[in-house]
Amino acid sequence: AQKVTQAQTEISVVEKEDVTLDCVYETRDTTYYLFWYKQPPSGELVFLIRRNSFDEQNEISGRYSWNFQKSTSSFNFTITASQVVDSAVYFCALSVVTGANSKLTFGKGITLSVRP
Amino acid sequence: DSGVTQTPKHLITATGQRVTLRCSPRSGDLSVYWYQQSLDQGLQFLIQYYNGEERAKGNILERFSAQQFPDLHSELNLSSLELGDSALYFCASSSSRGYNEQFFGPGTRLTVL
Repeated sequence: AQKVTQAQTEISVVEKEDVTLDCVYETRDTTYYLFWYKQPPSGELVFLIRRNSFDEQNEISGRYSWNFQKSTSSFNFTITASQVVDSAVYFCALSVVTGANSKLTFGKGITLSVRP
Repeated sequence: DSGVTQTPKHLITATGQRVTLRCSPRSGDLSVYWYQQSLDQGLQFLIQYYNGEERAKGNILERFSAQQFPDLHSELNLSSLELGDSALYFCASSSSRGYNEQFFGPGTRLTVL
């Protein structure tokens, strides 16, 4: 069975601070995919990134960066110079593909509040 | 805009009733997934369809059922509704490859009174 743990439940920062959202996952499969989704106050789920288990290269996209470490089963997300618009709930998710079944297992989510 | 549409946006109904939630996937996507988001359970996978066929079931109650039609849109039917069924129901779609990211619709907020 797969499991995703987001130990932080709520984080509050002041604008322009850097913030890291932690994600730890569990799976016995060697091939898997990790995702981050953002849920702003409006409620929709917005896809941010996908990373497969064979690619440990870190990724940077503007103010966002992701650190994938298989040794610690972690896939952490850092927002640099946070902005008020970053306020949202952030979900880490794991997918193990079995045939055409690729359901997402989500963590509980981290509520990020960025204060002006 | 993810390209996935869901109707209705909001639904208020009474216990014991039956409702149907509708989802249209992104153009070209063959897989449709349904998820339930509630305060106590978080985001939970319910069921997946691929090109009209059921592919996987998660924590879906027997009172709930779904189908995917030839035009690839999907419907989630919830019957004998209980207060605890109040939640945000998301539909997501992905392309034929299982490892592709899933794009989510705006969700249907169901309130059971």
